[in-house]
Amino acid sequence: GAVVSQHPSRVICKSGTSVKIECRSLDFQATTMFWYRQFPKQSLMLMATSNEGSKATYEQGVEKDKFLINHASLTLSTLTVTSAHPEDSSFYICSARVEQTDTQYFGPGTRLTVL
Amino acid sequence: EDQVTQSPEALRLQEGESSSLNCSYTVSGLRGLFWYRQDPGKGPEFLFTLYSAGEEKEKERLKATLTKKESFLHITAPKPEDSATYLCAVLLSGGYQKVTFGTGTKLQVIP
Repeated sequence: GAVVSQHPSRVICKSGTSVKIECRSLDFQATTMFWYRQFPKQSLMLMATSNEGSKATYEQGVEKDKFLINHASLTLSTLTVTSAHPEDSSFYICSARVEQTDTQYFGPGTRLTVL
Repeated sequence: EDQVTQSPEALRLQEGESSSLNCSYTVSGLRGLFWYRQDPGKGPEFLFTLYSAGEEKEKERLKATLTKKESFLHITAPKPEDSATYLCAVLLSGGYQKVTFGTGTKLQVIP
């Protein structure tokens, strides 16, 4: 149990375009989902906490207008990188929290490359 | 300031050579400690959740233990497929939802 999917797994886009990444909890409902960014050989950096039906809480230094997060249902959260630039190229990972155990289960990640 | 430190940064073991990874934490109040395994280019895979000092959990060749200051991930007779980066994360008490990750231990098991 506790499976989280992400789509797409890889995306290449041109500078200035927007990219949407989906995160789904497949076999459980998640009131809370998280979005992380990971740079090579580094640990995960939390970008924002997403609660179903309310606005996301962004970490310090993360531009909320650039990284739009929507958590419209208990099984789906989306991250939209708006007007992407090469410096936004990274590995983006989502997680969904199982309330009863406080445990986060992670998706497989999305590799974004902005040309 | 809340801190989570993992050691060693990297560990190279011969197949069958048992060892332990350490996760030490300095936090105001612990609600849970989590261990994950991450393979290159993939999301972290959940291993264990520990909630209180003295708790132990096992899965195949892995055993996680927790004290009031640190957690250990013991690997018994590792195999090459155990090679990965192991991450620990702590969840603070007091209504927090987000966790604080350590920087990880990169384990390489040589045949």
